[in-house]
Amino acid sequence: DTGVSQDPRHKITKRGQNVTFRCDPISEHNRLYWYRQTLGQGPEFLTYFQNEAQLEKSRLLSDRFSAERPKGSFSTLEIQRTEQGDSAMYLCASSFGGNTIYFGEGSWLTVV
Amino acid sequence: QKEVEQNSGPLSVPEGAIASLNCTYSDRGSQSFFWYRQYSGKSPELIMSIYSNGDKEDGRFTAQLNKASQYVSLLIRDSQPSDSATYLCAVNFQISSGSARQLTFGSGTQLTVLP
Repeated sequence: DTGVSQDPRHKITKRGQNVTFRCDPISEHNRLYWYRQTLGQGPEFLTYFQNEAQLEKSRLLSDRFSAERPKGSFSTLEIQRTEQGDSAMYLCASSFGGNTIYFGEGSWLTVV
Repeated sequence: QKEVEQNSGPLSVPEGAIASLNCTYSDRGSQSFFWYRQYSGKSPELIMSIYSNGDKEDGRFTAQLNKASQYVSLLIRDSQPSDSATYLCAVNFQISSGSARQLTFGSGTQLTVLP
């Protein structure tokens, strides 16, 4: 499978705990994106990387969120001190340049 | 605030009919437009992209773009129950001055095709 891969697919955590999601983009895609989607809404842009550089962050990305893409390959999204409002599907996507983006299957987060 | 507006539905059509999904956007400078399909509990899947005014056809799907009126639509001909899903319109917006354009989504239209 050469698509965007995300792990874990589902995560249930207690409020206040930290969680980390991993994304492996399509090979040779130089751009990687993180989106968040809640029920009944479209995906909301969080941040994106071009190679290893994080070029843009949405205002939605509070200080508790941090994303990295070391070596310009896989990326991680960490949420510290989770809150119930963080419950959502976290989507990773990749593209070559600014062209069409392709989504992974998403990582569902439930904060209890 | 850059916006993408869609009628949330639900939109119900009988099997074999044409489903028409509409989307308006706020940024006249947008150049790239996309339709994604999302089944319940799954991630968005790209159906169509369109960049120029007019129609673009791909199988049973036709995307229509009118930049002057700032709307883009998706027609699904010969609708099938398997087309039942949420359809997301996405537009490349420049989120802030000097930034690269990012894909901004509408909230989606839920389509049900009745057998």
